[in-house]
Amino acid sequence: GAGVSQSPRYKVAKRGQDVALRCDPISGHVSLFWYQQALGQGPEFLTYFQNEAQLDKSGLPSDRFFAERPEGSVSTLKIQRTQQEDSAVYLCASSDAGGRNQPQHFGDGTRLSIL
Amino acid sequence: AQTVTQSQPEMSVQEAETVTLSCTYDTSESDYYLFWYKQPPSRQMILVIRQEAYKQQNATENRFSVNFQKAAKSFSLKISDSQLGDAAMYFCAYRSVSGGGADGLTFGKGTHLIIQP
Repeated sequence: GAGVSQSPRYKVAKRGQDVALRCDPISGHVSLFWYQQALGQGPEFLTYFQNEAQLDKSGLPSDRFFAERPEGSVSTLKIQRTQQEDSAVYLCASSDAGGRNQPQHFGDGTRLSIL
Repeated sequence: AQTVTQSQPEMSVQEAETVTLSCTYDTSESDYYLFWYKQPPSRQMILVIRQEAYKQQNATENRFSVNFQKAAKSFSLKISDSQLGDAAMYFCAYRSVSGGGADGLTFGKGTHLIIQP
Protein backbone atom coordinates (compact mmCIF):
# COMPACT_ATOMS: atom_id res chain seq x y z
CA GLY A 1 0.00 0.00 0.00
CA ALA A 2 1.02 3.64 -0.43
CA GLY A 3 2.04 4.84 3.00
CA VAL A 4 4.12 7.84 3.98
CA SER A 5 7.45 7.69 2.24
CA GLN A 6 10.60 9.43 3.48
CA SER A 7 13.96 9.75 1.81
CA PRO A 8 16.76 9.27 2.30
CA ARG A 9 16.46 6.63 5.01
CA TYR A 10 19.93 7.50 6.29
CA LYS A 11 21.92 10.68 5.87
CA VAL A 12 25.42 11.41 7.07
CA ALA A 13 26.71 14.95 6.82
CA LYS A 14 29.64 16.93 8.11
CA ARG A 15 29.03 19.69 10.57
CA GLY A 16 28.27 22.89 8.74
CA GLN A 17 26.72 21.25 5.66
CA ASP A 18 23.16 21.81 4.58
CA VAL A 19 20.78 18.84 4.32
CA ALA A 20 17.33 18.31 2.80
CA LEU A 21 14.92 15.59 3.90
CA ARG A 22 11.94 14.63 1.80
CA CYS A 23 8.48 13.42 2.76
CA ASP A 24 5.81 12.01 0.43
CA PRO A 25 2.54 11.85 2.38
CA ILE A 26 -0.35 9.53 1.71
CA SER A 27 -2.14 10.74 -1.39
CA GLY A 28 -4.93 13.15 -0.56
CA HIS A 29 -3.88 13.75 3.02
CA VAL A 30 -4.37 17.38 3.91
CA SER A 31 -2.27 17.57 7.06
CA LEU A 32 1.46 16.97 7.27
CA PHE A 33 3.68 17.00 10.35
CA TRP A 34 7.40 16.84 11.01
CA TYR A 35 8.86 15.48 14.25
CA GLN A 36 12.37 15.11 15.60
CA GLN A 37 13.17 12.00 17.64
CA ALA A 38 16.43 11.95 19.59
CA LEU A 39 17.88 8.61 20.62
CA GLY A 40 15.86 7.03 23.41
CA GLN A 41 13.26 9.79 23.44
CA GLY A 42 9.76 10.34 22.18
CA PRO A 43 9.22 12.37 19.02
CA GLU A 44 9.05 16.13 19.39
CA PHE A 45 6.84 18.24 17.17
CA LEU A 46 8.58 20.55 14.72
CA THR A 47 6.02 21.94 12.29
CA TYR A 48 2.58 21.42 10.75
CA PHE A 49 1.12 22.05 7.29
CA GLN A 50 -2.45 22.11 6.17
CA ASN A 51 -2.23 21.76 2.40
CA GLU A 52 0.51 24.21 1.39
CA ALA A 53 0.05 26.51 4.37
CA GLN A 54 2.48 26.18 7.25
CA LEU A 55 0.13 26.76 10.17
CA ASP A 56 2.48 26.02 13.02
CA LYS A 57 6.25 26.14 13.16
CA SER A 58 6.54 26.63 16.88
CA GLY A 59 8.65 23.49 17.33
CA LEU A 60 11.45 24.39 14.93
CA PRO A 61 14.51 24.67 17.21
CA SER A 62 16.27 27.47 15.36
CA ASP A 63 16.22 29.54 12.21
CA ARG A 64 18.51 26.96 10.63
CA PHE A 65 15.47 24.73 10.23
CA PHE A 66 13.10 25.42 7.37
CA ALA A 67 10.19 23.39 5.97
CA GLU A 68 8.09 23.81 2.88
CA ARG A 69 5.22 22.11 1.08
CA PRO A 70 4.76 24.29 -2.00
CA GLU A 71 2.06 22.29 -3.81
CA GLY A 72 0.34 20.81 -0.81
CA SER A 73 1.74 17.32 -1.25
CA VAL A 74 5.49 16.59 -0.96
CA SER A 75 7.30 18.35 1.85
CA THR A 76 10.96 19.09 2.41
CA LEU A 77 12.65 19.78 5.73
CA LYS A 78 15.90 21.67 5.28
CA ILE A 79 18.56 22.14 7.90
CA GLN A 80 21.25 24.69 7.21
CA ARG A 81 24.74 24.74 8.76
CA THR A 82 24.11 21.47 10.55
CA GLN A 83 25.33 20.98 14.11
CA GLN A 84 26.01 17.77 16.04
CA GLU A 85 22.91 18.30 18.14
CA ASP A 86 20.83 17.99 14.96
CA SER A 87 21.62 14.26 14.88
CA ALA A 88 18.28 12.48 15.29
CA VAL A 89 15.59 10.60 13.43
CA TYR A 90 13.26 12.95 11.57
CA LEU A 91 9.75 11.59 11.24
CA CYS A 92 7.07 12.77 8.86
CA ALA A 93 3.38 12.04 9.39
CA SER A 94 0.23 12.80 7.45
CA SER A 95 -3.45 12.68 8.24
CA ASP A 96 -6.72 13.03 6.47
CA ALA A 97 -9.14 15.92 6.92
CA GLY A 98 -11.92 15.42 9.42
CA GLY A 99 -10.74 16.62 12.76
CA ARG A 100 -7.86 16.71 15.16
CA ASN A 101 -8.58 13.22 16.41
CA GLN A 102 -7.63 11.76 13.06
CA PRO A 103 -4.73 9.32 13.37
CA GLN A 104 -1.39 10.43 12.04
CA HIS A 105 0.28 7.98 9.68
CA PHE A 106 4.04 7.97 10.07
CA GLY A 107 6.85 7.25 7.68
CA ASP A 108 9.93 5.21 8.53
CA GLY A 109 11.93 8.35 9.23
CA THR A 110 15.30 9.66 8.14
CA ARG A 111 18.19 9.01 10.49
CA LEU A 112 20.48 12.03 10.32
CA SER A 113 24.01 11.76 11.66
CA ILE A 114 26.19 14.86 11.85
CA LEU A 115 29.93 14.18 12.10
CA ALA B 1 2.00 23.72 27.61
CA GLN B 2 0.95 20.13 27.89
CA THR B 3 3.26 17.42 29.16
CA VAL B 4 3.02 13.63 28.96
CA THR B 5 4.80 11.35 31.44
CA GLN B 6 5.48 7.66 31.07
CA SER B 7 7.08 6.51 34.29
CA GLN B 8 8.02 3.00 33.17
CA PRO B 9 11.08 3.03 30.90
CA GLU B 10 10.80 -0.75 30.44
CA MET B 11 8.24 -3.45 31.13
CA SER B 12 8.47 -7.20 30.70
CA VAL B 13 5.62 -9.69 30.40
CA GLN B 14 5.26 -13.39 29.69
CA GLU B 15 3.64 -14.33 26.41
CA ALA B 16 -0.15 -14.72 26.79
CA GLU B 17 -0.21 -12.67 30.00
CA THR B 18 -1.66 -9.19 30.52
CA VAL B 19 0.39 -6.03 30.95
CA THR B 20 -0.53 -2.43 31.72
CA LEU B 21 1.50 0.56 30.60
CA SER B 22 1.08 3.81 32.52
CA CYS B 23 0.70 7.33 31.21
CA THR B 24 -0.15 10.58 32.96
CA TYR B 25 -0.48 14.01 31.42
CA ASP B 26 -0.81 17.58 32.48
CA THR B 27 -3.15 20.05 30.79
CA SER B 28 -5.41 22.93 31.59
CA GLU B 29 -7.75 22.08 28.71
CA SER B 30 -11.05 20.30 29.20
CA ASP B 31 -11.21 18.68 25.80
CA TYR B 32 -8.40 16.89 24.02
CA TYR B 33 -7.41 13.63 22.38
CA LEU B 34 -5.15 10.89 23.69
CA PHE B 35 -3.34 8.22 21.71
CA TRP B 36 -1.14 5.21 22.17
CA TYR B 37 1.39 4.56 19.42
CA LYS B 38 3.63 1.53 18.95
CA GLN B 39 7.11 1.82 17.44
CA PRO B 40 8.78 -1.48 16.56
CA PRO B 41 12.53 -1.63 15.89
CA SER B 42 11.77 -0.98 12.22
CA ARG B 43 10.90 2.52 13.39
CA GLN B 44 7.49 3.11 11.80
CA MET B 45 5.07 4.50 14.37
CA ILE B 46 1.70 2.74 14.33
CA LEU B 47 -1.48 3.90 16.03
CA VAL B 48 -2.72 1.41 18.61
CA ILE B 49 -5.72 3.14 20.12
CA ARG B 50 -7.21 6.61 20.65
CA GLN B 51 -9.56 8.24 23.13
CA GLU B 52 -11.56 11.44 23.00
CA ALA B 53 -11.56 13.16 26.39
CA TYR B 54 -15.27 13.98 26.21
CA LYS B 55 -16.13 10.28 25.99
CA GLN B 56 -16.49 8.53 29.32
CA GLN B 57 -16.38 5.07 27.80
CA ASN B 58 -12.92 3.57 27.59
CA ALA B 59 -11.72 2.77 24.09
CA THR B 60 -10.98 -0.83 23.10
CA GLU B 61 -9.37 -2.35 20.01
CA ASN B 62 -9.27 -6.14 20.12
CA ARG B 63 -6.62 -7.07 22.74
CA PHE B 64 -5.87 -3.43 23.53
CA SER B 65 -7.90 -1.30 25.91
CA VAL B 66 -7.39 1.87 27.89
CA ASN B 67 -8.26 2.99 31.39
CA PHE B 68 -8.98 6.70 31.00
CA GLN B 69 -9.29 8.58 34.29
CA LYS B 70 -9.91 12.21 33.35
CA ALA B 71 -9.87 13.65 36.84
CA ALA B 72 -6.59 11.93 37.60
CA LYS B 73 -5.23 12.77 34.13
CA SER B 74 -4.29 9.16 33.63
CA PHE B 75 -4.44 7.12 30.43
CA SER B 76 -3.08 3.60 30.83
CA LEU B 77 -2.92 0.93 28.12
CA LYS B 78 -3.79 -2.69 28.84
CA ILE B 79 -2.58 -5.40 26.50
CA SER B 80 -4.28 -8.74 26.99
CA ASP B 81 -2.96 -12.11 25.77
CA SER B 82 0.45 -10.59 24.97
CA GLN B 83 2.07 -11.81 21.78
CA LEU B 84 5.66 -11.75 20.60
CA GLY B 85 4.68 -9.21 17.95
CA ASP B 86 3.66 -6.75 20.66
CA ALA B 87 7.31 -6.18 21.57
CA ALA B 88 8.06 -2.53 20.79
CA MET B 89 8.36 0.96 22.23
CA TYR B 90 4.98 2.31 23.24
CA PHE B 91 4.35 6.04 23.28
CA CYS B 92 1.49 7.88 24.88
CA ALA B 93 0.54 11.08 23.07
CA TYR B 94 -1.72 14.10 23.59
CA ARG B 95 -3.29 16.45 21.10
CA SER B 96 -5.19 19.61 21.84
CA VAL B 97 -8.69 20.02 20.39
CA SER B 98 -8.46 23.76 20.05
CA GLY B 99 -5.03 24.03 18.57
CA GLY B 100 -3.77 26.17 21.39
CA GLY B 101 -0.03 25.77 21.63
CA ALA B 102 1.61 23.29 19.28
CA ASP B 103 -0.56 21.73 16.63
CA GLY B 104 1.18 18.39 16.68
CA LEU B 105 1.19 15.50 19.09
CA THR B 106 2.95 15.78 22.44
CA PHE B 107 4.62 12.46 23.20
CA GLY B 108 5.89 10.83 26.36
CA LYS B 109 9.36 9.31 26.49
CA GLY B 110 8.06 5.84 25.83
CA THR B 111 7.97 2.43 27.48
CA HIS B 112 10.00 -0.43 26.06
CA LEU B 113 7.84 -3.56 26.19
CA ILE B 114 9.59 -6.92 26.24
CA ILE B 115 7.63 -10.12 25.64
CA GLN B 116 9.14 -13.22 27.24
CA PRO B 117 8.38 -16.42 25.30
